[in-house]
Amino acid sequence: DQQVKQNSPSLSVQEGRISILNCDYTNSMFDYFLWYKKYPAEGPTFLISISSIKDKNEDGRFTVFLNKSAKHLSLHIVPSQPGDSAVYFCAASARNAGNMLTFGGGTRLMVKP
Amino acid sequence: EAEVAQSPRYKITEKSQAVAFWCDPISGHATLYWYRQILGQGPELLVQFQDESVVDDSQLPKDRFSAERLKGVDSTLKIQPAELGDSAMYLCASSLRRNTEAFFGQGTRLTVV
Repeated sequence: DQQVKQNSPSLSVQEGRISILNCDYTNSMFDYFLWYKKYPAEGPTFLISISSIKDKNEDGRFTVFLNKSAKHLSLHIVPSQPGDSAVYFCAASARNAGNMLTFGGGTRLMVKP
Repeated sequence: EAEVAQSPRYKITEKSQAVAFWCDPISGHATLYWYRQILGQGPELLVQFQDESVVDDSQLPKDRFSAERLKGVDSTLKIQPAELGDSAMYLCASSLRRNTEAFFGQGTRLTVV
């Protein structure tokens, strides 16, 4: 039973355009959500997070949107750059349940010059 | 910049042999996690420590895996005996507290032959 799902295994975007990565979750206890970026042979790098008390958090080119009623979050990257090409993982945790991070399966983003 | 240190970066071992991985978290981070990532999937939590105590090891195959964090700082994850299916990336992460984002090390790529 996958509690966090990223249904798109890959996404290809032209440089300068918007990249939208999606994530769905099933556990209503999740109240903290994160996005990580991973290059091959390296560990995931933290990008941005959002608490369930918010519906949007922005950091530079990265914006995360949370729709609690739909149990859906998305990461927007604007404008996309070739260096953004990586695998993106969303993760979720329940703060009153040990803060264990549950990850989605990842989406490979390819930004074409 | 502070980072999570892991060693070795790569390990090849024969099945039925013992193997150990080491992790040094970011200084001051009380929470330490060991994750396993199989290629094409998201990281899965093996064990979570709060200081020297195990908070969650429900997904740790305890017949062959063990983890310790004796002084509440660095940690060791051991597999004995290794099986072919253990081939994966083993990631260590730490966070300041239980309810904050986790920072990952570069991981140890294990290949069991």
